[in-house]
Amino acid sequence: FMLTQPHSVSASPGKTVTISCTRDSGNIDTTYVQWFQQRPGSSPTTVIYEDNQRPSGVPDRFSGSIDSSSNSASLTISGLKTEDEGDYYCQSYDNNNHGVFGGGTKLTVL
Amino acid sequence: QVQLVQSGAEVKKPGASVTVSCKTSDYTFPTYGISWVRQAPGQGLEWMGWISAGTANTNYAQTFQGRVTMTLDTSTTTAYMDLRSLRPDDTAVYFCARSTSYNILTGPWGQGTLVTVSS
Repeated sequence: FMLTQPHSVSASPGKTVTISCTRDSGNIDTTYVQWFQQRPGSSPTTVIYEDNQRPSGVPDRFSGSIDSSSNSASLTISGLKTEDEGDYYCQSYDNNNHGVFGGGTKLTVL
Repeated sequence: QVQLVQSGAEVKKPGASVTVSCKTSDYTFPTYGISWVRQAPGQGLEWMGWISAGTANTNYAQTFQGRVTMTLDTSTTTAYMDLRSLRPDDTAVYFCARSTSYNILTGPWGQGTLVTVSS
């Protein structure tokens, strides 16, 4: 299956942005979804795991959710800061527990 | 704090093999796993596989079956990823990342290792 993300999103500091991740086959809620942030020139960091769990140190401005009706997952970032700029990737698993990544979304904080 | 420190950059010729190491610290190694992910220049992330640090069970992406081997040294809490029969399109940054014992990629991530394959 594939995970489809928007190529880019943008918003102003202090605003809220939502990045979607749509699964094209199979149900989104059958395997966990993770979200990763990658700032330019840096390694990725995990911001959400198991659909909506935040690793320690990730601010509660980051939240994850699943919508079965649209077969998609979403990452919502509230109170945007310039440091939130970067690429965001969703990831889930297939029936063989093999990881599948979305293509990534570039977030610009204008 | 929990850290994953990877080995340095490598330059290899086509057909060669490469080993990337991932030294972990400050957590109970056997209760987690290690995932490997790569990123070609200017491209997105690609999942390569996972190894359980408790059982050494592995799960490899179909793309890499037969060319990749993931191993552990529990005495030094280090994970290794061997990739054989290298091709120019294997040029990428290779990351290790801590995962749960059931393959959920929770992090943290290593700093990445650039592997360049060129004749």
